[in-house]
Amino acid sequence: QITLKESGPTLVKPTQTLTLTCTFSGFSLTTYGVGVDWIRQSPGKALEWLAFIYWDDEKHYSPSLKSRLTITKDTSKNQVVLTMTNIDPADTATYYCVHMVVGPSHYYMDVWGRGTTVSVSS
Amino acid sequence: DIVMTQSPATLSVSPGQRVTLSCRASQSVTTHLAWFQQKPGQAPRLLIYAASTRASGIPARFSGSGSGTEFTLTISSLQSEDFAVYYCQQYNGWPPWTFGQGTKVEIK
Repeated sequence: QITLKESGPTLVKPTQTLTLTCTFSGFSLTTYGVGVDWIRQSPGKALEWLAFIYWDDEKHYSPSLKSRLTITKDTSKNQVVLTMTNIDPADTATYYCVHMVVGPSHYYMDVWGRGTTVSVSS
Repeated sequence: DIVMTQSPATLSVSPGQRVTLSCRASQSVTTHLAWFQQKPGQAPRLLIYAASTRASGIPARFSGSGSGTEFTLTISSLQSEDFAVYYCQQYNGWPPWTFGQGTKVEIK
């Protein structure tokens, strides 16, 4: 059974750096075709894709946030870490960590963590 | 980026009714399209991928269709547990992957 759990601060001050950790079980990020995404959802708003890391360490970022995001993995700990710099109140959201299967022609985000809520305020 | 547009924003439906939700892509995504269901306070749940393939454990009343830029999610007979927000998402090629703004299915 695949599970993912997000952790990190609930309150962050503007201009600070946010570090979120996704701890997962039931799969390995050394397995071909497996990846992990970070997706966020501001209160009452739609889902926004942020970043993706693949089993071979290939990384992709949202173009609008690319300069502020870093995604890394620690396969020995079964963790994926997302760092976001220069935090702003507009970054207030629930952040989800998601297991992704990358097939030969189709990808799908099949298992989501429960999410962690981050508020940005001074 | 590919923009995904969903319609309508809100749908008021009675239980047992057939429901059709629409999703349009700003450019062709072939069949690289997924649908998610999200209930209040919960994470999204994958319903459909590859435009028409039901994810594991998803009831047969959910079906997806379409290709290119026009897609549809159909719920054949709406159950009480189906009242939720539904999102489409494109994954055409490598990222960025984008979501629609959602359609809320509410009780009439």
